[in-house]
Amino acid sequence: KAGVTQTPRYLIKTRGQQVTLSCSPISGHRSVSWYQQTPGQGLQFLFEYFSETQRNKGNFPGRFSGRQFSNSRSEMNVSTLELGDSALYLCATSLGQGTNTEAFFGQGTRLTVV
Amino acid sequence: AQSVSQHNHHVILSEAASLELGCNYSYGGTVNLFWYVQYPGQHLQLLLKYFSGDPLVKGIKGFEAEFIKSKFSFNLRKPSVQWSDTAEYFCAVNPFTGGYNKLIFGAGTRLAVHP
Repeated sequence: KAGVTQTPRYLIKTRGQQVTLSCSPISGHRSVSWYQQTPGQGLQFLFEYFSETQRNKGNFPGRFSGRQFSNSRSEMNVSTLELGDSALYLCATSLGQGTNTEAFFGQGTRLTVV
Repeated sequence: AQSVSQHNHHVILSEAASLELGCNYSYGGTVNLFWYVQYPGQHLQLLLKYFSGDPLVKGIKGFEAEFIKSKFSFNLRKPSVQWSDTAEYFCAVNPFTGGYNKLIFGAGTRLAVHP
């Protein structure tokens, strides 16, 4: 079955702009989580969506937001971009319910803010 | 705060050497534990996982990990590494059960295997 698909793969944006990233989960997966990966901070959890509702949130400013659609696809948005937002943004999807679930990651979107 | 510590940031080995990467977490409740691997230019892939039961778990490509609850540790091992094991390895903890999809990652260990 198809894996987790993230689009676009690469983005270059200017400070102050906003950006929207997309994540299409594996069929049947209802949970989508987003992570930011940087050389300095490593992999950090942004938020999780399940059944169109945000279920968990990490310690990121309100400029980072997301949403999930009824088909479980998710988007994350970053407004008023800063240089420090340059990172690889990963999404991970899972079934989202049950005792033990594992997450599958997409290839990521590499965002460069100039 | 919940955290995951990986003790080795860079490891260099020769082929056929044995590997052990340390991972400790700070969370007292029931957790799910994972090791992910990121090969150069590729996405994160699940290497192995621990949910419950036998604390010695086996994963893909000959990797195994041992969960020691009393030490809050989940160390990764491989008896004999290959050049193709060159990658970055991440330990991760999900402090939630019930299907919540939130992983807390360690800083990662870059492994370089020389032929």
